[in-house]
Amino acid sequence: DAGVTQSPTHLIKTRGQQVTLRCSPKSGHDTVSWYQQALGQGPQFIFQYYEEEERQRGNFPDRFSGHQFPNYSSVLNVNALLLGDSALYLCASSLEGDRGANYGYTFGSGTRLTVV
Amino acid sequence: KQEVTQIPAALSVPEGENLVLNCSFTDSAIYNLQWFRQDPGKGLTSLLLIQSSQREQTSGRLNASLDKSSGRSTLYIAASQPGDSATYLCAVGETSGSRLTFGEGTQLTVNP
Repeated sequence: DAGVTQSPTHLIKTRGQQVTLRCSPKSGHDTVSWYQQALGQGPQFIFQYYEEEERQRGNFPDRFSGHQFPNYSSVLNVNALLLGDSALYLCASSLEGDRGANYGYTFGSGTRLTVV
Repeated sequence: KQEVTQIPAALSVPEGENLVLNCSFTDSAIYNLQWFRQDPGKGLTSLLLIQSSQREQTSGRLNASLDKSSGRSTLYIAASQPGDSATYLCAVGETSGSRLTFGEGTQLTVNP
């Protein structure tokens, strides 16, 4: 049973560039959430996608955008990268019918983004 | 705005010791609470999920309790092992399917 898959695992970008991170949810899941985790801190919620629509959004600027595809996979795009965007980006999936109630959220291993 | 605090921030214990990690949250109207483990540079592994109607959950040497009225949860680890060394995060969900609000974690080191 495949869990949540994220790619790439590591990425180095230059300030001002744009980046796209990818996530495939756990088999049977249809909802994808993205989190940013700075070093030494807990993850911060970026946004959540369900039925190809952004359903909830955290306190992140419009430079952060995303998309969900018909197969439930998702991408996170970050434009005009800043040094402060350096972090571990985590994707979590769940099943809408379950809504995280019975099994919680399943997280991927993350993408480590370094902005130089 | 929900805030989650974990105490202590770091903990070092000898192998075999029983230990308790604490998590507190400011808004008691939560839907559920989840404990995760995170190894350095890795993603999150779910350990235990407690629904708001439950008082505790157990898995092997782990036991998590929830007291909604006081805004607290504890994670009890019995007979700790060096392999338990990791950062432990608690996260609360305020409604069904909503975002998770995380604490900053407790970094646990179990010494052989």
